[in-house]
Amino acid sequence: DGGITQSPKYLFRKEGQNVTLSCEQNLNHDAMYWYRQDPGQGLRLIYYSQIVNDFQKGDIAEGYSVSREKKESFPLTVTSAQKNPTAFYLCASSSVTEAFFGQGTRLTVV
Amino acid sequence: KQEVTQIPAALSVPEGENLVLNCSFTDSAIYNLQWFRQDPGKGLTSLLLIQSSQREQTSGRLNASLDKSSGRSTLYIAASQPGDSATYLCAVKSGSYIPTFGRGTSLIVHP
Repeated sequence: DGGITQSPKYLFRKEGQNVTLSCEQNLNHDAMYWYRQDPGQGLRLIYYSQIVNDFQKGDIAEGYSVSREKKESFPLTVTSAQKNPTAFYLCASSSVTEAFFGQGTRLTVV
Repeated sequence: KQEVTQIPAALSVPEGENLVLNCSFTDSAIYNLQWFRQDPGKGLTSLLLIQSSQREQTSGRLNASLDKSSGRSTLYIAASQPGDSATYLCAVKSGSYIPTFGRGTSLIVHP
């Protein structure tokens, strides 16, 4: 059953903590992306990777980090430097043509 | 830099109406355009993909058209149903193949 799996679905973070959001795909796509979604803001690109062991900053990369050690996996770490991390995070992968999305992780700072 | 705009931002219609959602983009040198549906608190589900060489795509009650030269796409929903209530987003792939999104149209279809 091909697709993209994000975990966890809900995540709570205390101020000052780093947290890591998981994204796994079995679609054999080279490209993977992380977006942040806030009410009324649409989807904003955090990081993207077009090949294993390489990734690039998107429009709002400050306070986030990623790795791409395997084709299937593209985890996102929200660091304590991210001042407003409460948001809905979406991971996507893409062939040359079509993009597919996971079900998202809702991160809340408590 | 590619910019994508969706109009209207919100739409509320009675069941059975035919709808048109609009998407415009600033750079016409695109590879493709994709329409998505998003239910509250969920991820995005792909509805239709139009390659740059195509004019339209159809799936059931949905029809998407693309006019690359004018930087516009429309999503036509025929005979709307309450189950169509969701946010509809368009995404354009251009430049470095990164999808760029509009802010979406929030649709409510009431019985």
